[in-house]
Amino acid sequence: EDQVTQSPEALRLQEGESSSLNCSYTVSGLRGLFWYRQDPGKGPEFLFTLYSAGEEKEKERLKATLTKKESFLHITAPKPEDSATYLCAKQSGNTPLVFGKGTRLSVIA
Amino acid sequence: GAVVSQHPSWVICKSGTSVKIECRSLDFQATTMFWYRQFPKQSLMLMATSNEGSKATYEQGVEKDKFLINHASLTLSTLTVTSAHPEDSSFYICSAPRTSGRYEQYFGPGTRLTVT
Repeated sequence: EDQVTQSPEALRLQEGESSSLNCSYTVSGLRGLFWYRQDPGKGPEFLFTLYSAGEEKEKERLKATLTKKESFLHITAPKPEDSATYLCAKQSGNTPLVFGKGTRLSVIA
Repeated sequence: GAVVSQHPSWVICKSGTSVKIECRSLDFQATTMFWYRQFPKQSLMLMATSNEGSKATYEQGVEKDKFLINHASLTLSTLTVTSAHPEDSSFYICSAPRTSGRYEQYFGPGTRLTVT
């Protein structure tokens, strides 16, 4: 059974304090590893899909990387507007995405 | 811009009534759409997979007679919560995958259902 585990559960950063969020997943049958951002009361916003180990993608202050067992979402010099819950999800074959529980990020000015 | 829309964004209904939520893919066709439910401060729980032209596939523990899904066209899926009860109050979110070279799954903005 696919499992996705995110850590930490919550993270509080000062503005400008870079950090990384972790997503570990069961290895078998990875088709894609997805990152989403979710603001309270809204649907998840698509950020990245990673398909193979070694792949990296960037968007503004965010960079997602993928290894054979885990993915990291690096946040460089975060701003208060980066505060949100970040969700990681794995897709195996043609099955629906399996989501982690998310990391709640708070960036304090 | 948004690629998946939902309507309504919020709804309040009385116990025993039914509520229909629409999910549309805006600039692509989706033979499959997904319906999720989310409780406060929890992650998304997949309820069912909506298949255009055939029956929906429900996850274990989800009552198919209570949560009716209809995938009427390649851009529209509907979720009807029948005989709603207060415990059905939740945030319902749909998603649709878009495969244009790569597989990407987009979510709608969600529908907040409150049953009084």
